[in-house]
Amino acid sequence: RKEVEQDPGPFNVPEGATVAFNCTYSNSASQSFFWYRQDCRKEPKLLMSVYSSGNEDGRFTAQLNRASQYISLLIRDSKLSDSATYLCVVNHYGNNRLAFGKGNQVVVIP
Amino acid sequence: SQTIHQWPATLVQPVGSPLSLECTVEGTSNPNLYWYRQAAGRGLQLLFYSVGIGQISSEVPQNLSASRPQDRQFILSSKKLLLSDSGFYLCAWSSAASGANVLTFGAGSRLTVL
Repeated sequence: RKEVEQDPGPFNVPEGATVAFNCTYSNSASQSFFWYRQDCRKEPKLLMSVYSSGNEDGRFTAQLNRASQYISLLIRDSKLSDSATYLCVVNHYGNNRLAFGKGNQVVVIP
Repeated sequence: SQTIHQWPATLVQPVGSPLSLECTVEGTSNPNLYWYRQAAGRGLQLLFYSVGIGQISSEVPQNLSASRPQDRQFILSSKKLLLSDSGFYLCAWSSAASGANVLTFGAGSRLTVL
């Protein structure tokens, strides 16, 4: 089983709609979880951390389910500028090593 | 504020040629430094990380090497490139206090080996 698994998509989303996707991780001892955003041919940038109780940042909501070992990201009222690849990131081995998923590609359609 | 610079942005190299990618961080001291590679259709793969000058941890056996000659400088090298070395190379830093929890990436170096 891979460390971090994501359905690559693409997720084609009409503008204004809601899209959600999950990421599963293999190590039950993982401590920290993040979503990064990567635009085409650009570097990844931190979107948000994921806290145990779930957290929101504007139109973005992240949740963690430790029992089932997955995290989720929900985007409400999708904008064209939300088109990107969203990388699930887990602190898998310890403080100096993060495991990245391949990403969920989101395409917002006008 | 902290900034990270990475160069060159793009390069095309023949098989068997050497490689040197450089990364520098400004505005912080004693950062943790990382080299990642993102091959087409694959996730980010950690190649090397460093917690201090001269301290390099290698994650994947390969024909690449890394060096940290100064506190805020991280260099990725190869003596002889392989076709499989093609990819998007990303340097990143994090504060020693946060460990690897929050990474800030450079703009990346896109390498094509022909």
